[in-house]
Amino acid sequence: GAVVSQHPSWVICKSGTSVKIECRSLDFQATTMFWYRQFPKQSLMLMATSNEGSKATYEQGVEKDKFLINHASLTLSTLTVTSAHPEDSSFYICSARDSAGLANYHQETQYFGPGTRLLVL
Amino acid sequence: AQSVTQLDSHVSVSEGTPVLLRCNYSSSYSPSLFWYVQHPNKGLQLLLKYTSAATLVKGINGFEAEFKKSETSFHLTKPSAHMSDAAEYFCVVSEGGSQGNLIFGKGTKLSVKP
Repeated sequence: GAVVSQHPSWVICKSGTSVKIECRSLDFQATTMFWYRQFPKQSLMLMATSNEGSKATYEQGVEKDKFLINHASLTLSTLTVTSAHPEDSSFYICSARDSAGLANYHQETQYFGPGTRLLVL
Repeated sequence: AQSVTQLDSHVSVSEGTPVLLRCNYSSSYSPSLFWYVQHPNKGLQLLLKYTSAATLVKGINGFEAEFKKSETSFHLTKPSAHMSDAAEYFCVVSEGGSQGNLIFGKGTKLSVKP
């Protein structure tokens, strides 16, 4: 149980285009999902917290108009990188928290997706 | 504010020998602590977590960690390393509260020599 998927796993795009990444909790409901960014050989940096049915909360320094987050249902959050540039190339990872605590661990545990590697040319 | 310090950026062990990955935390209240593992080009997998129950926490794949409040430590150990343990390990503290944001350490890369 407690599986989180991301799609796509890899994306290559041209500079100036927009890219949408999906994060799904497959076997539990997630009121809250998180989006992280990881640069090579570095730790994860929290970008934003996504709450179902409300606006996302962005961390300091993260442009909300650049990284659009939509959390329209209890099992899906999307991150759209708008007008992508080469400096946006990174590994994007989402996580989801089990709202009902039905997974094996306490409900505050975050379950991570496999990540999406974005390369902007 | 919470913070996490992983004392070693890289640890190298021989297969079959013990593993020790060190982690110290700073928290203004009783924290929740986690260890996650990340294999190359993969997402993060939860190894174990501490949430104010037993101080010795057993996780998957033979890993365990001991919460020591007096030392503000949460070191990860395994009695005998396996080649498949080679990965990046992250010590994480939860901010708690309704958001429960996670604060990640910088990670420790574990290499296992045959």
